[in-house]
Amino acid sequence: NAGVTQTPKFQVLKTGQSMTLQCAQDMNHEYMSWYRQDPGMGLRLIHYSVGAGITDQGEVPNGYNVSRSTTEDFPLRLLSAAPSQTSVYFCASSYAGVGEKLFFGSGTQLSVL
Amino acid sequence: AQSVTQPDIHITVSEGASLELRCNYSYGATPYLFWYVQSPGQGLQLLLKYFSGDTLVQGIKGFEAEFKRSQSSFNLRKPSVHWSDAAEYFCAVGDISNFGNEKLTFGTGTRLTIIP
Repeated sequence: NAGVTQTPKFQVLKTGQSMTLQCAQDMNHEYMSWYRQDPGMGLRLIHYSVGAGITDQGEVPNGYNVSRSTTEDFPLRLLSAAPSQTSVYFCASSYAGVGEKLFFGSGTQLSVL
Repeated sequence: AQSVTQPDIHITVSEGASLELRCNYSYGATPYLFWYVQSPGQGLQLLLKYFSGDTLVQGIKGFEAEFKRSQSSFNLRKPSVHWSDAAEYFCAVGDISNFGNEKLTFGTGTRLTIIP
């Protein structure tokens, strides 16, 4: 049981490049989400999904796209990377409903030059 | 909108000493409150959570937290810390989305250092 798997662990981009951060979970969780972690700002919700085909914006969605075609996968796309998107990105999943424990991946450290 | 304040950025505690990490929240209704811990280079792990009922909740690794509605606080405590408790601790409050699930708002975190 791998839990929540994020790839890559590290990535360096140039301004304007695009890329996709991958997230997969093998726990059959309905809920998946992406957070970014910046020094002194805690974790902020980017996008989330409550099931295949259903996504919604979080607190800081600008510059990011998501889709959920399967229960297992929830990729995060940066269409045109900017230095302000330099951050550590975490994917998390849980069962549906309130109060469910979030399971986090180990993170992707992204630098945009 | 809900918010969480963790007033202590960094706390240093001697091994074996007691610990209290502060968390204050702002939320219009009865809050769903959580404490998560992040070890270096890792994702977050749930320590404990509060929804209703007993205001003193027990978690993993010997941690507990007390919900005080009058003070809008949910402070995390441990009677005797171990070197392995060195980590960053995040308080979070949950808001219910249009889909009925929670969206968590995290505080900025408190980094805990343990000295021998």
